[in-house]
Amino acid sequence: QSALTQPRSVSGSPGQSVTISCTGTSSDVGGYNYVSWYQQHPGKAPKLMVYDVSKRPSGVPDRFSGSKSGNTASLTISGLQAEDEADYYCCSYTGHYTSYVFGTGTKVTVL
Amino acid sequence: EVQLVESGGVVVQPGGSLRLSCAASGFTFDDYAMHWVRQAPGKGLEWVSLIPWDGSYIYYADSVKGRFTISRDNSKNSLYLQMNSLGAEDTAFYYCAASSSWTYYFDSWGQGTLVTVSS
Repeated sequence: QSALTQPRSVSGSPGQSVTISCTGTSSDVGGYNYVSWYQQHPGKAPKLMVYDVSKRPSGVPDRFSGSKSGNTASLTISGLQAEDEADYYCCSYTGHYTSYVFGTGTKVTVL
Repeated sequence: EVQLVESGGVVVQPGGSLRLSCAASGFTFDDYAMHWVRQAPGKGLEWVSLIPWDGSYIYYADSVKGRFTISRDNSKNSLYLQMNSLGAEDTAFYYCAASSSWTYYFDSWGQGTLVTVSS
């Protein structure tokens, strides 16, 4: 199972919006509405930001939103804030045996 | 408060074995499927293995199949990963993560334990 493809980096100024893409195949992203997104600050554990493509856990700001079209999922951060600077990983369920595949990761820089 | 605390990460020689543990607290452990996810230093996340609440099935990434064994002890609120035939490619931070039953995401993570395979 190959990793999902994400841009290596994206950047934006405070208050702007950035979108991170996550491209897979019909066997993962396109085949299931089970895409999740994780934020990881340096030296820290990942944190769930979006699940089931577009749902937010309690406590996650509504600046974070997810969507999917075909084999590509996206995470949009609106009203970018300094604390949003981190690495972001998408993840898709792939069916029983291979179970899950992560994206390559995207570094978000707040200019 | 949900807490997952991994332990057991050390420096081990190539070909060696190691057992990682993950102690869970703050939630009903046997309501959750548990996973191991790893991250090589400076690299991305890689899903390793899954065990549901009752251990009725187990899945592994192809990269560890036949070498790693996941298990759990619900009476001790603990998750384990037995790692055999270790190679340099297994050097990574190993995180345990929890998924509510019948969900397909990792809603809680531990802080990770570092396994270094080196002679």
